[in-house]
Amino acid sequence: NAGVTQTPKFQVLKTGQSMTLQCAQDMNHNSMYWYRQDPGMGLRLIYYSASEGTTDKGEVPNGYNVSRLNKREFSLRLESAAPSQTSVYFCASSRSFDQPQHFGDGTRLSIL
Amino acid sequence: AQSVTQLDSQVPVFEEAPVELRCNYSSSVSVYLFWYVQYPNQGLQLLLKYLSGSTLVKGINGFEAEFNKSQTSFHLRKPSVHISDTAEYFCAVSVMSGAQKLVFGQGTRLTINP
Repeated sequence: NAGVTQTPKFQVLKTGQSMTLQCAQDMNHNSMYWYRQDPGMGLRLIYYSASEGTTDKGEVPNGYNVSRLNKREFSLRLESAAPSQTSVYFCASSRSFDQPQHFGDGTRLSIL
Repeated sequence: AQSVTQLDSQVPVFEEAPVELRCNYSSSVSVYLFWYVQYPNQGLQLLLKYLSGSTLVKGINGFEAEFNKSQTSFHLRKPSVHISDTAEYFCAVSVMSGAQKLVFGQGTRLTINP
């Protein structure tokens, strides 16, 4: 019953460093999503993948890239980290557009 | 574009008292509506959802919500809260097509006092 697994759980980076956040789901879901959560702003969609082989920008894509490696895995990359990207990042997946999303436990990322 | 407003950032209530968390949305097309709960240091869990049909939706842990199309609202209610309901609650909407691009409200922190 793993659901959605995110790695790492915590990370501290220096400005300018690069990093990839990993996400994997074992529910055979078609769609996957990356969000960031900042105090007082709820969750904002960064990128999503409606199905294997497709990716699209969400509300706040600048400074990020994604890869849908296969149906299970969806990674988020920060090429040159900035302090404004300090946040909690959540990955989620869903079977279809009318089914609820299942969330991972998050990655807490600090950029100094 | 869709938007969601949660009218209260924090709601303190006493244990066993009723609670209502307010959510209003804006959209030019039909939407699906969701309430998610987030316990400390965890991801979000679905409480309930409205897709179609009856406007009164019942979810887990005794919560329910009512969809009001004319007022574009989807308020969450519980008749008697417990200490374990202390968490942050998020209202979200998505359009009825394509990928489920959720738009979240800012969240309401529910604190239950003994």
